[in-house]
This record gives sequence, C-alpha cells and structure tokens, in this order.
Amino acid sequence: QVQLQESGPGLVKPSGTLSLTCAVSGGSITSDNWWSWVRQPPGKGLEWIGEIYQNGRTNYNPSLKSRVTVSVDKSKNQFSLNLSSVTAADTAVYYCARNLKWELGDWGQGTLVTVSS
Amino acid sequence: EIVLTQSPGTLSLSPGERATLSCRASQSVSSSYLAWYQQKPGQAPRLLIYGASSRATGIPDRFSGSGSGTDFTLTISRLEPEDFAVYFCQQYGSSLYTFGQGTKLEIK
Repeated sequence: QVQLQESGPGLVKPSGTLSLTCAVSGGSITSDNWWSWVRQPPGKGLEWIGEIYQNGRTNYNPSLKSRVTVSVDKSKNQFSLNLSSVTAADTAVYYCARNLKWELGDWGQGTLVTVSS
Repeated sequence: EIVLTQSPGTLSLSPGERATLSCRASQSVSSSYLAWYQQKPGQAPRLLIYGASSRATGIPDRFSGSGSGTDFTLTISRLEPEDFAVYFCQQYGSSLYTFGQGTKLEIK
C-alpha cells in the first residue's frame, strides 16, 4: 500500500510562506493518480487545497488559488506545497493524500503548522 | 461551489445500535463523486465509502452508503466501540473537492 509522509517547518511567521513536502513510498508518483493537499484547522473540518498530476498539471481551490503552488519532483518521488502570505487563519494540520478516482484513498499522518510570530 | 451540509452535528448512540448520518448537497451531485470518511482523534481521515455506496478496501460490511441527487446517507448497522468518531462526506465537481462539516458520533 502507498504510504505518504509530510515534512516541513511546524512554525511559520505571519506574511511568510508555508512550505511542505510529501514523500511517497510503496508506489510511484508517476502512477496514474493525482496527488492532493488537504488541511484541517484545529477542531474544525477539512478543506481541500489543491492537486497535482505527474506531468505537473494542477488544480487549486479557488479560495486559496492566489496563494498556492503545488509542485512535483519525480526524481525524489515527492510533491510539495507552498502557501504564501500566511496568517493565523492558515494554522492547521496539513495532510497529503493520493487521489483514487474522485475520492482520497491514502493519507499521510498529517503535520501541524502554526502561524505565529 | 457545491456546499455539503451534514446532519445531525452530533449523534449520541450506544454500541449495538444503528446509526444514520445524512449529507445534503446544495445542488445535484453525481453518485460517482460522493464519498464518506471516518476520522478518529489525532488521526488522518480514512476512506469508508466511494461512489456513494461502494465500500473501500477493508471496510466492514456494517458500513453502507446510499442516496442520489442531493441526499446521501451513511448507515452503520450495529455500532462497534471503534466506530465512535467523526464522519465527513465529500463531493467532487468542477475540479474541486468539498467536504461537509462533519457529524460526531459519540457514545451515549
């Protein structure tokens, strides 16, 4: 089974850029799947951020589109998230996931990112 | 953007009872595009149901999904202690995934 692992700084300053990486193991990022980022503020619901295909094609949530970049590194079998101009409202657990058809089948364990000075 | 509204917000039941969770969409959703997830504290969501009614790999048959159009239901036939968790529905449309706000299933 595919396993995903998020990594990156747990603390980001306001107005800075949040950068996370998702390492994929047990499968190839060049398989016929899209790969997503999802976040969950503490005690709240889930918000889909965006997705990427192996060829670099992306789709983003319109509510975040102006601040989000998702990229893929096939040589390292991983994909990444950059979220710019962060505020306290971006504090959340960030998950990476593997899309199946129209649902998210495999998830990383999640990583908490806090936006604070 | 399609908005999903889940009800009830909290459901209090006892082990062995039947649970019925509702997910209502603001506009019609293709059944193929409707999924359900279970999330326990400190864990990532786990896919339970996809295509409105198909169980994901390894999901017990006490979990079932149904519905079409704007109204979808997740049913747990006989609650086990490990089923008490938060449940989210999710839809896909126009290259956008959206989730319901969740239903917390708690032990009565």
